[in-house]
Amino acid sequence: SQTIHQWPATLVQPVGSPLSLECTVEGTSNPNLYWYRQAAGRGLQLLFYSVGIGQISSEVPQNLSASRPQDRQFILSSKKLLLSDSGFYLCAWTVSGGSPYNEQFFGPGTRLTVL
Amino acid sequence: AQSVTQLGSHVSVSEGALVLLRCNYSSSVPPYLFWYVQYPNQGLQLLLKYTSAATLVKGINGFEAEFKKSETSFHLTKPSAHMSDAAEYFCAVRKAAGNKLTFGGGTRVLVKP
Repeated sequence: SQTIHQWPATLVQPVGSPLSLECTVEGTSNPNLYWYRQAAGRGLQLLFYSVGIGQISSEVPQNLSASRPQDRQFILSSKKLLLSDSGFYLCAWTVSGGSPYNEQFFGPGTRLTVL
Repeated sequence: AQSVTQLGSHVSVSEGALVLLRCNYSSSVPPYLFWYVQYPNQGLQLLLKYTSAATLVKGINGFEAEFKKSETSFHLTKPSAHMSDAAEYFCAVRKAAGNKLTFGGGTRVLVKP
């Protein structure tokens, strides 16, 4: 069966520090991968998605970036964190191609607090 | 652009009462619709999805949703609320040829004993 992992589970970082969040998927190949952020009172915001290694689409211009160095690994990064980067970060995957009825499967999330 | 609107950011129900969460979508063609649930500090979990096989869709935990094209709605219901239903619920839509889901703003459900 498929499993999605995210780490760390929680993170407290000072303003201006770098960030690296990791997401890995097991039990499937060539998934579509997604990064979302939930900020207080702002719902679920899609940040990036990827349909293959090295292929990244950015949804929201900001100081975050994403990379997909391996088929089932998706990394969210920042060189300098802002207070506004605080939130709950969720990674998700779905089967590539195929039916539009395919749902996205979500990881457990990372709680980031920038102080 | 494809979008969904969830009416009411917070809903309070008594245990044993009907849960009704509203979702309306904007689309000129039948969309691909999903309901997710999120418990505190966890990821989202699929409750159910509309696949066009039937307008009434049954999901997990006793939830169901009815697709009404004439009303462009996909409201989520549960006949009898349980304390464990306290969570945030998201409606989402996918465009036919798209890789992305668009989520509504979410509705937080509080269940009173």
